[in-house]
Amino acid sequence: ETGVTQTPRHLVMGMTNKKSLKCEQHLGHNAMYWYKQSAKKPLELMFVYNFKEQTENNSVPSRFSPECPNSSHLFLHLHTLQPEDSALYLCASSQDAGEVYEQYFGPGTRLTVT
Amino acid sequence: QKEVEQNSGPLSVPEGAIASLNCTYSDRGSQSFFWYRQYSGKSPELIMSIYSNGDKEDGRFTAQLNKASQYVSLLIRDSQPSDSATYLCAVNLGTSYGKLTFGQGTILTVHP
Repeated sequence: ETGVTQTPRHLVMGMTNKKSLKCEQHLGHNAMYWYKQSAKKPLELMFVYNFKEQTENNSVPSRFSPECPNSSHLFLHLHTLQPEDSALYLCASSQDAGEVYEQYFGPGTRLTVT
Repeated sequence: QKEVEQNSGPLSVPEGAIASLNCTYSDRGSQSFFWYRQYSGKSPELIMSIYSNGDKEDGRFTAQLNKASQYVSLLIRDSQPSDSATYLCAVNLGTSYGKLTFGQGTILTVHP
């Protein structure tokens, strides 16, 4: 595996379900990010982790719960989502969470909440 | 005013022409600027990063940065149909260490 991988690539879940998204980076980076991309809206940062520590929570509802067990893995735990949470969820990584470091994206998970 | 704003599209150019994509940002303290390309149904792919005023060239792509005027642009020379995609401008705003703020994207279509 190379780059940033995400699983699953597609997910359909009911509003009462609990599911998790997984991201893994094979780039030796130390920072990882979750983004949300909804139709007709700009990419929106959700969470930032640097060296396993959460450094940013962009006012994300508590029904989204991130977990970063090490610098290579990032999870997004989902529970009691709303239909408006349907979107493309993208994971990214960078060498560090500093301002000059380029971020590389995974393929994304297309989430549909029914 | 939006923090990062891109010229409204869609932009349509003929094959072989120069495509010009523009982006303005609100925070004068911003230091890092990035262009991503996103094909339909795919994730964003980094094309260029630029940090200093002036031009930066990479193959058919040239990024231009003017911090005094708070704009960054991307020129695509000899445009090809395979360049048809949404181009995203991303800025690390001066007040947001480690955070990228994205513009809404410009859809580019290169027609044969």
